[in-house]
Amino acid sequence: DAGVTQSPTHLIKTRGQQVTLRCSPKSGHDTVSWYQQALGQGPQFIFQYYEEEERQRGNFPDRFSGHQFPNYSSELNVNALLLGDSALYLCASSLGIPSSYNEQFFGPGTRLTVL
Amino acid sequence: AQTVTQSQPEMSVQEAETVTLSCTYDTSESDYYLFWYKQPPSRQMILVIRQEAYKQQNATENRFSVNFQKAAKSFSLKISDSQLGDAAMYFCAYRSYNNNDMRFGAGTRLTVKP
Repeated sequence: DAGVTQSPTHLIKTRGQQVTLRCSPKSGHDTVSWYQQALGQGPQFIFQYYEEEERQRGNFPDRFSGHQFPNYSSELNVNALLLGDSALYLCASSLGIPSSYNEQFFGPGTRLTVL
Repeated sequence: AQTVTQSQPEMSVQEAETVTLSCTYDTSESDYYLFWYKQPPSRQMILVIRQEAYKQQNATENRFSVNFQKAAKSFSLKISDSQLGDAAMYFCAYRSYNNNDMRFGAGTRLTVKP
């Protein structure tokens, strides 16, 4: 049973560029959440996708956008990269409607470095 | 807004001994969930234990148990019979009852000495 997978593992970009990160949820899961984990800090919730729609969003600017595909996989896009966007980006998947509790399973993350 | 505080950036424990990691949180809600996650060097967050706020009984999962003090807004994790594989970053997290915006603390790095 494949768990949550993310690609790429590492990524280096320069300021002002755009980046796309990808996530495939655990088999059978239909909800995907994205988190940003800066060095030495806990993860911060970016947004969650369910039924191909953004259902909930954390306190992140609209430079951060996402998409969920019919196969439940998801992309996180960040435009106009800033140095402060350097972080580990975690994807987590779960099954079921977001308003109820469903255990989240995390992927190994994508390490983004902005120079 | 809900906040989670972990006041111990680093902790160490001797193998086979017991260690307690602290966590406090701030909320005005009465229904919520609390979690402890483990993040080893592989970076993948793993759920260690979960507590529903409406349950008075403290959650237990094998060697891991919590001390949940709702009035004090405290949620500590006790690891018994510590093993080398327990070495990792441990994050305390809060989630509202009907909201998936999970709030994490800054983490505690646990070292296990052989």
